[in-house]
Amino acid sequence: EPEVTQTPSHQVTQMGQEVILRCVPISNHLYFYWYRQILGQKVEFLVSFYNNEISEKSEIFDDQFSVERPDGSNFTLKIRSTKLEDSAMYFCASSDRGWNEQFFGPGTRLTVL
Amino acid sequence: KNEVEQSPQNLTAQEGEFITINCSYSVGISALHWLQQHPGGGIVSLFMLSSGKKKHGRLIATINIQEKHSSLHITASHPRDSAVYICAVHPARGSQGNLIFGKGTKLSVKP
Repeated sequence: EPEVTQTPSHQVTQMGQEVILRCVPISNHLYFYWYRQILGQKVEFLVSFYNNEISEKSEIFDDQFSVERPDGSNFTLKIRSTKLEDSAMYFCASSDRGWNEQFFGPGTRLTVL
Repeated sequence: KNEVEQSPQNLTAQEGEFITINCSYSVGISALHWLQQHPGGGIVSLFMLSSGKKKHGRLIATINIQEKHSSLHITASHPRDSAVYICAVHPARGSQGNLIFGKGTKLSVKP
């Protein structure tokens, strides 16, 4: 069964460093999402991406964040200068249609020291 | 203000019990999801529904659009059902289907 994959599973970085989180969505899906979950809190929407551009973003997704689909398979989230409060689990999801079932990746746990 | 509220926050049950988890939302929606999150963190989609009722194995999900309420039922619960169950909605105002999540209900089923 097709699945969303994410790498790395765990990333540790120093405050101020740049990180890139990678996702491979399901191959025939067209809508891509990033969510984050701070430990002990609810999952929060970051950004949605369709047709090679951002379609919606939350207040969390400020200038420090960017997304890219550099080729036909990868979907990346970049954090330019990490802060302690960026420590969270980051989930990628994909969907074949905008209001359809979303399939989640296993997540990347980001720890900022 | 939370747009998606779940109850209870925590639930402990004995194996075999019938379980109900509730979700209320305050925004207009196009669909509602029930998701399962295991201790390792991975999220699995259980149901997506916009009306009525869906059943999959021992899981049943219902939604009442007029009352802005949904329930997830687990029949004959089993320790392997222990997980966090999350209600999430597609807001009708959203352009591309991003989800708004509840805080989750942590279920523990004892043998």
